[in-house]
Amino acid sequence: GENVEQHPSTLSVQEGDSAVIKCTYSDSASNYFPWYKQELGKGPQLIIDIRSNVGEKKDQRIAVTLNKTAKHFSLHITETQPEDSAVYFCAASSGTSYGKLTFGQGTILTVHP
Amino acid sequence: DAGVIQSPRHEVTEMGQEVTLRCKPISGHNSLFWYRQTMMRGLELLIYFNNNVPIDDSGMPEDRFSAKMPNASFSTLKIQPSEPRDSAVYFCASSLRPEQNSPLHFGNGTRLTVT
Repeated sequence: GENVEQHPSTLSVQEGDSAVIKCTYSDSASNYFPWYKQELGKGPQLIIDIRSNVGEKKDQRIAVTLNKTAKHFSLHITETQPEDSAVYFCAASSGTSYGKLTFGQGTILTVHP
Repeated sequence: DAGVIQSPRHEVTEMGQEVTLRCKPISGHNSLFWYRQTMMRGLELLIYFNNNVPIDDSGMPEDRFSAKMPNASFSTLKIQPSEPRDSAVYFCASSLRPEQNSPLHFGNGTRLTVT
């Protein structure tokens, strides 16, 4: 089955700096890569996703890149703000898995004002 | 749209007791997923349904766990008998067309503590 590794497990930045979280996956059939943000006491919320026919996608301060050859994808947050502090999860799924997502272990992002 | 609704938000019970967690998916979503979150194992998929039918229950840890979806607007996850190692946050999520990778929408979870 799919295995998703996520790094780093914790990330601390100053407000205004950029943050980068990286993930690798094992199943070459995976074709969908969402990122979720989880705030304390809440469920994960989708913030951005990318499909395997696209190399990069951007939404305001958030961008995701995908390297299919190397089987890795990354989340980039620019101009970080204290409200970006949360746990971030990457995930992967393939068209054959009926939308079944395999999640990374999560990254605790802390943005210091 | 009220989102995915889970109840209770917190459950504390003694070992050996039966626990029932409840979920109401987003109206119109035809797929429902149950996940468990722990520090050690992260987010694990337990079971998912499509059109009220269980598709994959390979993530259900033991026979003590069972899940049902009697109709499109309600699902339960039952643990009987409960054990301390079942302590975790249990999330329900729903999706419109997961086979087309439409987003998963998560509820706010049920925090289960088994003493």
